[in-house]
Amino acid sequence: DQQVKQNSPSLSVQEGRISILNCDYTNSMFDYFLWYKKYPAEGPTFLISISSIKDKNEDGRFTVFLNKSAKHLSLHIVPSQPGDSAVYFCAASRGSGNTGKLIFGQGTTLQVKP
Amino acid sequence: EAQVTQNPRYLITVTGKKLTVTCSQNMNHEYMSWYRQDPGLGLRQIYYSMNVEVTDKGDVPEGYKVSRKEKRNFPLILESPSPNQTSLYFCASSLLGQGLYEQYFGPGTRLTVT
Repeated sequence: DQQVKQNSPSLSVQEGRISILNCDYTNSMFDYFLWYKKYPAEGPTFLISISSIKDKNEDGRFTVFLNKSAKHLSLHIVPSQPGDSAVYFCAASRGSGNTGKLIFGQGTTLQVKP
Repeated sequence: EAQVTQNPRYLITVTGKKLTVTCSQNMNHEYMSWYRQDPGLGLRQIYYSMNVEVTDKGDVPEGYKVSRKEKRNFPLILESPSPNQTSLYFCASSLLGQGLYEQYFGPGTRLTVT
């Protein structure tokens, strides 16, 4: 049972345009959500997070939106750059950080074309 | 430099031959975890540890063992590897609490079991 789902395996956008990566979850007990980015031959790196008490968090070109009623979150990258080309994983957790468990989605491969 | 190191980076072995993948972090993090990444499945947690001598199962613990005798090290042991354990493995560490989410990942170990 996949509790965190990224239904788009891949996404291609033009440099300078907006990239929107989507993630759906099924467990209403999740209270913290994160996005990680992964380049080939490297481990994932933390990108941005959002608590369930918020509906938006922004960090430079990256914004994460959370819609709790729809159990949906999205990552917006504006403007997209070729260096953003990577695999993006969303992840969810519950228990305010002390449960030790992160549930990851399947990942979406973003390609930003120059 | 703050980092998580894994060894070996690549390993090809045969069914049933015990192996250990080492993981070490130099950030004095309490929390450490092992994940495996498989196509279409994303990252799945194998085991995690909240501190020395404290370990717990993740979502896919079958066929794996771990130990946490020192804070900096968290080896992953496959007592009798099987072909379905062929995967890309990542070790991660973080502080506990809110910092749990910003996990630092190692570069990965690609394991092939024939």
